[in-house]
Amino acid sequence: DQQVKQNSPSLSVQEGRISILNCDYTNSMFDYFLWYKKYPAEGPTFLISISSIKDKNEDGRFTVFLNKSAKHLSLHIVPSQPGDSAVYFCAAAEGTGTASKLTFGTGTRLQVTL
Amino acid sequence: DGGITQSPKYLFRKEGQNVTLSCEQNLNHDAMYWYRQDPGQGLRLIYYSQIVNDFQKGDIAEGYSVSREKKESFPLTVTSAQKNPTAFYLCASSRGATGTPPLHFGNGTRLTVT
Repeated sequence: DQQVKQNSPSLSVQEGRISILNCDYTNSMFDYFLWYKKYPAEGPTFLISISSIKDKNEDGRFTVFLNKSAKHLSLHIVPSQPGDSAVYFCAAAEGTGTASKLTFGTGTRLQVTL
Repeated sequence: DGGITQSPKYLFRKEGQNVTLSCEQNLNHDAMYWYRQDPGQGLRLIYYSQIVNDFQKGDIAEGYSVSREKKESFPLTVTSAQKNPTAFYLCASSRGATGTPPLHFGNGTRLTVT
């Protein structure tokens, strides 16, 4: 049973426009969420995170929104750049002391076109 | 530069042979993890270790074994008991397993078993 779902396997966005990547979860015990970015043949790199006590966290061009009632989070990238082309994974954890229990989504491949 | 080194990048083995994947970190992180990535799936946790000489099974530990004799090293052995060993294996570390710090990943080892 997939507890973290990224229903869009791919997304194509023009350079300069906004990219919105979505993630849904089913486990109501999740209270910490992270986004990772992955280039081919490399390991994922941490991008941004959000705790369930917040509904928004911003870091430069990247903003994560959390809607707890809908069990939905999204990553906004604005403006999108060609270097943002990668696979983005959403991950979730429940409670403190649970870095070991990160549950990952299946990823969304973002292609930023010129 | 601090980081996580996984070697080799590509590994080929015959069915029935055990194989050990190396993971070394110089980040002085307490916790280390092994994940497996298959096409169209998220990262799945195999084993994790929060401290030297201690490790725990993740979600898909069957057919794998690990050791944590040193803080810097967390090798993964894929045994002949693992039914579908061909996959991309990622090692990760974090400062600790509490407070849900982000994981830092290595660049992975792609294992092919024929």
